Amino acid sequence: QKEVEQDPGPLSVPEGAIVSLNCTYSNSAFQYFMWYRQYSRKGPELLMYTYSSGNKEDGRFTAQVDKSSKYISLFIRDSQPSDSATYLCAMSPINAGNNRKLIWGLGTSLAVNP
Amino acid sequence: DAGVTQSPTHLIKTRGQQVTLRCSPKSGHDTVSWYQQALGQGPQFIFQYYEEEERQRGNFPDRFSGHQFPNYSSELNVNALLLGDSALYLCASSLVVENEQFFGPGTRLTVL
Repeated sequence: QKEVEQDPGPLSVPEGAIVSLNCTYSNSAFQYFMWYRQYSRKGPELLMYTYSSGNKEDGRFTAQVDKSSKYISLFIRDSQPSDSATYLCAMSPINAGNNRKLIWGLGTSLAVNP
Repeated sequence: DAGVTQSPTHLIKTRGQQVTLRCSPKSGHDTVSWYQQALGQGPQFIFQYYEEEERQRGNFPDRFSGHQFPNYSSELNVNALLLGDSALYLCASSLVVENEQFFGPGTRLTVL
């Protein structure tokens, strides 16, 4: 079993839809959770970063963490064609010295259709 | 404020050759991590440098080595290239006291 599981999709939605992207993890030591967006042939771009259970909102994006269920989500409201990309979850263990190793999901490919 | 930069953008090598990839971190950052991303996969952690030392390493063979310079920039070296080394190589920079990592555009390496 992989430490981080993420459905690779692809996911196709109409413009304006609410998108829900999810990851599950098995290592309870993970305390820091991030969502990255990656356009084709580009480096990942940090979208959201959180370390506590609950919701964190930034514009059209909401990150949700449920540590008891080892489940994280990213919601995109009013999705736009420019949101079409691969969304990757990443997480790292509780701060132990300089431990900043990120463990990644496979990424979910999202297409928002006009 | 310049973000993370990487060079070259693309590289084509043949099996057995050696390659050096370069990374300049975001201004103010002191830690550099390298990742390998195969097509359709998430990035895989190679290693991380801080204070010019390798601090952590993923499951990569000794053919993969690196270096960090006093100005925090970094190099990734891969010896005896294999076809399976073809991938996007990503550099990420951060502050040692923070978890957020910022990525460069990557170097796409093709091994023929």
